[in-house]
Amino acid sequence: NAGVTQTPKFQVLKTGQSMTLQCAQDMNHEYMSWYRQDPGMGLRLIHYSVGAGITDQGEVPNGYNVSRSTTEDFPLRLLSAAPSQTSVYFCASSRPEARRLFFGSGTQLSVL
Amino acid sequence: TQLLEQSPQFLSIQEGENLTVYCNSSSVFSSLQWYRQEPGEGPVLLVTVVTGGEVKKLKRLTFQFGDARKDSSLHITAAQPGDTGLYLCAGARIGGANNLFFGTGTRLTVIP
Repeated sequence: NAGVTQTPKFQVLKTGQSMTLQCAQDMNHEYMSWYRQDPGMGLRLIHYSVGAGITDQGEVPNGYNVSRSTTEDFPLRLLSAAPSQTSVYFCASSRPEARRLFFGSGTQLSVL
Repeated sequence: TQLLEQSPQFLSIQEGENLTVYCNSSSVFSSLQWYRQEPGEGPVLLVTVVTGGEVKKLKRLTFQFGDARKDSSLHITAAQPGDTGLYLCAGARIGGANNLFFGTGTRLTVIP
């Protein structure tokens, strides 16, 4: 019962470095999304996908790229990390219109 | 601008006490979800309310969706230490069932 798996759990980057946060789900969910969680701000939607080959922007997409080549995987790319991207990142998946998200356990990212 | 405001932000109570958490917005939502989050983990769904005025009960937890579908409340009766955690409300805009706007969160501590 893996559900939604995120890697790595922790990451420290220097300003300007790039990296990819991995997210995989084994529930055959068409919908996947990325959120960031900051103190006092709740979770904010970065990007989402309603199926393989289809992605769209959420509330806070700047500085992040996504792609969806398979149903299972939805990686989040930081092209040039900035200190403002220090946050905890959560991947989530769901069936369409299910009104329920399944979350991974998060990636804590620090950008120095 | 935060779409969903939760209050209180922090709550520390004794075991056995009752409490209510509020989730307010000026926007109308097609559904309202409540999640609970433990440290180092992703949010886990507690309940989804869809109809204005709807009341749902989950053991000692009672959830209500406002008549106008702009607000919601979570009431816990006889709180227990196991209720400790971060409670998050999340609203889905009409036409976007899985693209959620999260509240700022209420961190509850129940003291034995």
